[in-house]
Amino acid sequence: DAMVIQNPRYQVTQFGKPVTLSCSQTLNHNVMYWYQQKSSQAPKLLFHYYDKDFNNEADTPDNFQSRRPNTSFCFLDIRSPGLGDAAMYLCATWEAGGYTDTQYFGPGTRLTVL
Amino acid sequence: DAKTTQPPSMDCAEGRAANLPCNHSTISGNEYVYWYRQIHSQGPQYIIHGLKNNETNEMASLIITEDRKSSTLILPHATLRDTAVYYCIVRVVGSGSARQLTFGSGTQLTVLP
Repeated sequence: DAMVIQNPRYQVTQFGKPVTLSCSQTLNHNVMYWYQQKSSQAPKLLFHYYDKDFNNEADTPDNFQSRRPNTSFCFLDIRSPGLGDAAMYLCATWEAGGYTDTQYFGPGTRLTVL
Repeated sequence: DAKTTQPPSMDCAEGRAANLPCNHSTISGNEYVYWYRQIHSQGPQYIIHGLKNNETNEMASLIITEDRKSSTLILPHATLRDTAVYYCIVRVVGSGSARQLTFGSGTQLTVLP
């Protein structure tokens, strides 16, 4: 029944070693978001895809990239993780123009940088 | 989107009603009030939203003041599983763009046995 799936739930990487987090959805929503949530802070949007259109937030570091090969999947690539990138990464989806205006979140991937 | 103000923390006894306030004094006419909650180590979960009328669903009730400058989320019979951070968010609906949720600091609700 999971609608937004994130893998892995926990990811450990080394300082500077590229890492990819994945998100998939069974809702067929046209918008997918990536949020970063650091310890004891609120989630902060990094970027989103509206269909195939990529929209980056102004203050998202260049170190963060994203890919959306199809409607169901979206990836977050961190090219050279630093210690400050340790956080929970949340994927969310939304159907623009749909009946409801709610976002559905995945369980998150907790990234540790050693 | 309008900014919201919430108390940082609240306690509630199990089985009692939890009333979580939110101030959004700069809300504009086309902005809705949304509530999400985030249980520890999970993704945020939608609870309820409304424009100006009070709303109720299986999870909670939302009371919005007549001037729309504040609202209260009510969990009628709080359980230990309701312990979470509750976010009040104000945003425009149906703008045609992929409007993200701008999370404030939220209220940490602790339900006590």
